[in-house]
Amino acid sequence: NAGVMQNPRHLVRRRGQEARLRCSPMKGHSHVYWYRQLPEEGLKFMVYLQKENIIDESGMPKERFSAEFPKEGPSILRIQQVVRGDSAAYFCASSERAGAFQETQYFGPGTRLLVL
Amino acid sequence: GQSLEQPSEVTAVEGAIVQINCTYQTSGFYGLSWYQQHDGGAPTFLSYNALDGLEETGRFSSFLSRSDSYGYLLLQELQMKDSASYFCAVKNNAGKSTFGDGTTLTVKP
Repeated sequence: NAGVMQNPRHLVRRRGQEARLRCSPMKGHSHVYWYRQLPEEGLKFMVYLQKENIIDESGMPKERFSAEFPKEGPSILRIQQVVRGDSAAYFCASSERAGAFQETQYFGPGTRLLVL
Repeated sequence: GQSLEQPSEVTAVEGAIVQINCTYQTSGFYGLSWYQQHDGGAPTFLSYNALDGLEETGRFSSFLSRSDSYGYLLLQELQMKDSASYFCAVKNNAGKSTFGDGTTLTVKP
């Protein structure tokens, strides 16, 4: 059973370009979470999705950022018109269930975004 | 909203026991998790407490007191490979997990 997969592992963009980050959850997992991590800092929650639904996007900037988790295919985190402050590691995690007594999030290796 | 506090750094020697504390504020509390991260790599799940008490998994144990909004991770028989960042994360009833800023554990010989 393959783990959570993210691609690309490294992404370089110039200011103003678009960045598209992909996350394939573990097989059988229907809950996906995106986090951003700056160097020497913690993981900052961005968005929580289930298949075809955004459950909580309270951590995602209102402008330029969007996320989706379609019925088929990977989850996509999209950053439009990137700025240097978007440079960070973006981690995706998935879980099988999200109930009170179920909590294991499996993390992908992350995408390191560098904006020049 | 949700917020957590944990120490930024902890240092201990091989073979020792170390406790990393975490206090939190949240509404709709579901549970407290602990994750380990080496050198900016993928965080890995260590433990989860939804009920008060101690959960033991090998050398690692995690404790939760819901009335005190407090938990800790206990690492026994420390090894050099335990040097890493440790994050507590609180989960609310909407399924959202908020992570602390992490504790960097340095294990010295």
